Order: sequence, then structure tokens, then C-alpha cells
Amino acid sequence: GQNIDQPTEMTATEGAIVQINCTYQTSGFNGLFWYQQHAGEAPTFLSYNVLDGLEEKGRFSSFLSRSKGYSYLLLKELQMKDSASYLCAARNYGQNFVFGPGTRLSVLP
Amino acid sequence: DTGVSQDPRHKITKRGQNVTFRCDPISEHNRLYWYRQTLGQGPEFLTYFQNEAQLEKSRLLSDRFSAERPKGSFSTLEIQRTEQGDSAMYLCASSSAQPSYEQYFGPGTRLTVT
Repeated sequence: GQNIDQPTEMTATEGAIVQINCTYQTSGFNGLFWYQQHAGEAPTFLSYNVLDGLEEKGRFSSFLSRSKGYSYLLLKELQMKDSASYLCAARNYGQNFVFGPGTRLSVLP
Repeated sequence: DTGVSQDPRHKITKRGQNVTFRCDPISEHNRLYWYRQTLGQGPEFLTYFQNEAQLEKSRLLSDRFSAERPKGSFSTLEIQRTEQGDSAMYLCASSSAQPSYEQYFGPGTRLTVT
């Protein structure tokens, strides 16, 4: 079967660092994606990992361990505008994407 | 090209009626996806096209749902005999084959079945 788990909610303080974890079980894994979704809006692409290791993109970094079925998204220097849901999605070889339920992040002043 | 567009943005219909949604992807993208999203959940995959070919359809998808992409450009999603459980946001996304296959999402069509 296919399954993605991530925490439902997280809270952090402006300027801090937060790590959002994601574990996945999919058949024919072919890449792990992170999306940001503000309330009432469509998801927007943040990062993509297909090989093990860390990908850095400004304040956002994403890590993947294929052997452990594990990824995390790291957000540094948190800003109020980072309050959103963060979606973890695994792609399989059929180009089908399985999304997790999303982690709702609240950034407090 | 300003991105993926969807029409209508909102649709209210009575149970038992048929509805059709349209998605216009980014013009150079050959891949098009349909998802359904309910409050507090991530997008649920419905179906996927590469050019005009429908390559995959969710096994969870009822026979009441059908999608087309006749010329490999825009796509339509039809729901027949709507039920209250069909109320959701229907999202369309497109992507190119390279380099990372990242998907660009449209604003969605919010369906309410009364």
C-alpha cells in the first residue's frame, strides 16, 4: 500500500528553526516533494529530492533517506508569512503522486 | 502564460446533477493531473494525463467520475449524479517531463453539493 505520515500541527516562534518530518511507504518510489499551501490557496512547490541527502534552497532545506523512507523539511529564520500547511508527497514510477495530510505550521511573534 | 487556470472557481449544485470542470495547464506542459482535496487533508490523486493519453486513474475513483484531455491541451473533469460526499476542492496541476517534474497547481474549483 501507499502511506505518508507527517505531524498534524506544529508551532514555532518567529526567527526560529523548525523541522517537519515525513515518513512514507510507497511502491516504486521515484522522488519526494514538499509543497506549501496557505489557507484557501493552491499548493506551491518548495523542494524535490530523489537521491539521499540534503537539498538547500535559501531558507528552506529538504532531506531524504530512501533506506529509511524518511524526509524532513527544515525552515530557517521563520517569518510570519511561513504560517501555512506543508505537504509531503511521494511520486512513484507511474508518475502518480501520493500526498500526506499536511502539517499546519503556526509561526508566533 | 500566467499559470494553470481552472473554471469555474466555485460551483454549487444539487445532489443528482452532473457537473463539469475545466483546466487549462501551462502551455508547454505535457502532463496534467486532477486531485480532490477536503478540509484538513492533502490532495488525493484522481487521474493523470500525458498529452492526450489518460495513463492512470485512482482505483478509489467512482465510475461517476470521468476525465478527458482531447487534444493534449485543456482537460475536463465530469462528475455524474453528484453526491454530497463529492463536495471538495478539485485541483488541477500540470508539469513538464524535465527536470524535476514539479507540479504547478491551479487555483481549484470548489464544489458544494446540496
